[in-house]
Amino acid sequence: RKEVEQDPGPFNVPEGATVAFNCTYSNSASQSFFWYRQDCRKEPKLLMSVYSSGNEDGRFTAQLNRASQYISLLIRDSKLSDSATYLCVVRSQGNLIFGKGTKLSVKP
Amino acid sequence: GAGVSQTPSNKVTEKGKYVELRCDPISGHTALYWYRQSLGQGPEFLIYFQGTGAADDSGLPNDRFFAVRPEGSVSTLKIQRTERGDSAVYLCASSLGGLDTEAFFGQGTRLTVV
Repeated sequence: RKEVEQDPGPFNVPEGATVAFNCTYSNSASQSFFWYRQDCRKEPKLLMSVYSSGNEDGRFTAQLNRASQYISLLIRDSKLSDSATYLCVVRSQGNLIFGKGTKLSVKP
Repeated sequence: GAGVSQTPSNKVTEKGKYVELRCDPISGHTALYWYRQSLGQGPEFLIYFQGTGAADDSGLPNDRFFAVRPEGSVSTLKIQRTERGDSAVYLCASSLGGLDTEAFFGQGTRLTVV
């Protein structure tokens, strides 16, 4: 079983749609959690950290369920500029492990 | 700029040759990570340094791969006897090393083995 698993997609949605991505991780001792965004042929960049209490940044909401070892990202009112690959990232013992990413394509 | 710098940006080498890929992290960042990314895949972990020492090298695929960070700053990823399957984008990232700290990536080195 891979350490961090994501649905690879692609998710093709119209502008204005709400889309949710899910991620599971296998190491129960994992310490911190993140969502990164990667545009085509670019390096990954931090989108947001994920906390147990849940956190929101504008149209983006991240949730963590430690008991189920599950992380989610919700994007509301999708924009064309949200088209990218979203990477679920887990930190364990200092190391950062990435999922394979979920590709999102927002269409006009 | 003060970001993570990787050189070269592109490298084409012949099968069987030796290559070195360099990473200059953000000044003051104690943690440094190397990843390999193939098309359509997420970054695959290779090795993680905390300071000068390799804290976790479990991702190195075999003994042809080796990485160093002798002074706790610049790191070099070394690949011996390159194979066509080594072709990928090699990404380096650095962070302050705390649990919640952001990792910043360089733009990567695209390695092509012909």
